Amino acid sequence: NAGVTQTPKFRVLKTGQSMTLLCAQDMNHEYMYWYRQDPGMGLRLIHYSVGEGTTAKGEVPDGYNVSRLKKQNFLLGLESAAPSQTSVYFCASSYSPSGDPTDTQYFGPGTRLTVL
Amino acid sequence: GQQVMQIPQYQHVQEGEDFTTYCNSSTTLSNIQWYKQRPGGHPVFLIQLVKSGEVKKQKRLTFQFGEAKKNSSLHITATQTTDVGTYFCAGRGSFGNEKLTFGTGTRLTIIP
Repeated sequence: NAGVTQTPKFRVLKTGQSMTLLCAQDMNHEYMYWYRQDPGMGLRLIHYSVGEGTTAKGEVPDGYNVSRLKKQNFLLGLESAAPSQTSVYFCASSYSPSGDPTDTQYFGPGTRLTVL
Repeated sequence: GQQVMQIPQYQHVQEGEDFTTYCNSSTTLSNIQWYKQRPGGHPVFLIQLVKSGEVKKQKRLTFQFGEAKKNSSLHITATQTTDVGTYFCAGRGSFGNEKLTFGTGTRLTIIP
């Protein structure tokens, strides 16, 4: 099992450009999450999904959109990138109905995004 | 909304010294999880605490959940260079909603 994978690993954008970050998991998890990590601010939830076809806003959703068309994939989109969106983005997944009673969140390796 | 604070933000210790990080929630939690993130890496789950007053140990790491289920701590005995990283607590609200709220993290550096 690959666990949670993210593409790309690094990206540099100019202000106003758009891009999509892809997250994929092969653990049959129901829940998926997108976080951003900034120095001194921990992990902040952007959007999340509790199942295929569902999405919901987290703590800092402005400027981002998401889609969960397939259970294993969760996409994060930036329509018009801004320098304030320079960050490290982590995807995570959790909750398999068949097991894992601790409801652990499994994180991907992260995407380092710089917006100039 | 729910807030989870961690102190200290940074901690530098000599190898062999003990280390403790504290986590405080503004609301009562149903459970709390701890994660470790190595430099340049991603958060990795360490443990989950559910019961009031619960104490769990993993080798040199001791995790506690407060009686009121609003605070938690992680204590590392006799730190080693492999303990370097940022430790996050993450709390789930008492109504059991699906979102975890992560603390701001404590970054531990070890002086050899």
